[in-house]
Amino acid sequence: QSALTQPASVSGSPGQSITISCTGTGDDVGGDQFVSWNQQRPGEAPKLIIYDVNNRPSGVSNRFSGSKSGNTASLTISGLRTEDEADYYCSSYTGNNHVVFGTGTTVHVL
Amino acid sequence: QDQLVQSGAEMKRPGASVKISCKASGNNFFKSAVHWVRQAPGQRLEWMGWINAGNGNTKFSQKFQGRVILTRDTSAKTAHMEVSSLRSEDTAVYYCAAAYFGSGSYWDWGQGTLVAVSS
Repeated sequence: QSALTQPASVSGSPGQSITISCTGTGDDVGGDQFVSWNQQRPGEAPKLIIYDVNNRPSGVSNRFSGSKSGNTASLTISGLRTEDEADYYCSSYTGNNHVVFGTGTTVHVL
Repeated sequence: QDQLVQSGAEMKRPGASVKISCKASGNNFFKSAVHWVRQAPGQRLEWMGWINAGNGNTKFSQKFQGRVILTRDTSAKTAHMEVSSLRSEDTAVYYCAAAYFGSGSYWDWGQGTLVAVSS
C-alpha cells in the first residue's frame, strides 16, 4: 500500500487560512468516510484533530476543518496561529481494513 | 475514551526481539482495535497492524507480516507488540492507538515507546 500524497510543506502568516491536501485512491480516501488528520509537534505523540473526514474530537479548535472530494481529502486551518506550527498527517482505512498514512506536511507560520 | 500508557524505552542488539506494552485505563478496551504505528527518526508515520482486543483477531501490513506478533491480555487491559529479528532500520518510536468499534476513524494515541537498535 503506497502512502497517501501530501505536500511537503505549507506556509502562511498569522490569521491566514491554509489548506493541506491528501490524495489517495478509490481503495482508501475515495472509498469511504474513514479519513483522519493528526497533528504532531516535535518530540510529541500524534494528536487526533479530525476524524471521519470532518469531525472534530472534543477540545479541538473549530479553526480546524476537514473535507473530501473524490480521492482527495483536505484539512483547512483558519486563523493561523504560531502554535499551529507542526507536522500534519492524514490517514485512511483501506478496502481490506488496513490503514495508510500520508507522507506528512510541515506547516510553517511566517 | 481511554488513556493509553506504553512501556518504557528499549535498547536492543541487532537480531534480538523487543516486546512493547500498551495499557488502557478505561472500560472500552474490549470494544476496540489496538493499532500499532511506528515512526523512524525524521520519517513519516507508518502503520504496522492491529489487534481486535475483544476476540484477538489480527491484521498486518504486508511489510511486517511474519516478524511482528500482536497479543492482548484482557484481564490487564493491555495490548502487546513483539518485533523479532531487529535491525538498525527498526530504530523508531512505536505508538499504540485505540480505535473504538462504531466510532469510525476516531483514535486515542499512546505516548510512544522508543526502540533503539544498535550493536
